[in-house]
Amino acid sequence: DAGITQSPRHKVTETGTPVTLRCHQTENHRYMYWYRQDPGHGLRLIHYSYGVKDTDKGEVSDGYSVSRSKTEDFLLTLESATSSQTSVYFCAISESTSPETQYFGPGTRLLVL
Amino acid sequence: KQEVTQIPAALSVPEGENLVLNCSFTDSAIYNLQWFRQDPGKGLTSLLLIQSSQREQTSGRLNASLDKSSGRSTLYIAASQPGDSATYLCAVVNAGNNRKLIWGLGTSLAVNP
Repeated sequence: DAGITQSPRHKVTETGTPVTLRCHQTENHRYMYWYRQDPGHGLRLIHYSYGVKDTDKGEVSDGYSVSRSKTEDFLLTLESATSSQTSVYFCAISESTSPETQYFGPGTRLLVL
Repeated sequence: KQEVTQIPAALSVPEGENLVLNCSFTDSAIYNLQWFRQDPGKGLTSLLLIQSSQREQTSGRLNASLDKSSGRSTLYIAASQPGDSATYLCAVVNAGNNRKLIWGLGTSLAVNP
């Protein structure tokens, strides 16, 4: 299995609080992605990174920001969490030679009350 | 806009049965198609990747076919086992420079002993 960890694995927070999710990889892959998975919507791309300090928006980026200061870490921040951001968040990585071959982390289950 | 549909949404079969999962997509201009497996509470694992120029890929008891012109792919599982119980997701990458995955909602498979 690709070396991808996500922290925390579970989190409960209140509306209006900031939340940061961390994705850490040991594979030295160039690309990193944040997805959310919700019933009836499937997986949706939030943001992705194609290198250190290089990020771009996905299809559901509103309310989220990301940062990548090191190859191995990709942070997802909810500046002011809302109940609509209750979801399961997955991080994925891929190599530059085959970006569509993505390896997924175990997910973070976030509940916003 | 590319849309990916998976039918059925859920399937329950007795152990040992051969089964077929379906995936359809609306735009035939794809770069490739992948089948993933997702176990409850875990991340996704890529099972098979079919390039647009290929017709099928095989891995053990799994066989995935691709008919690009009709916008369809099938995942065939031979001699199903209880350990095959999981959700199976299909994802396509559109042709062009955008190598992002577009996901179906998945088929939840239960193989009963």
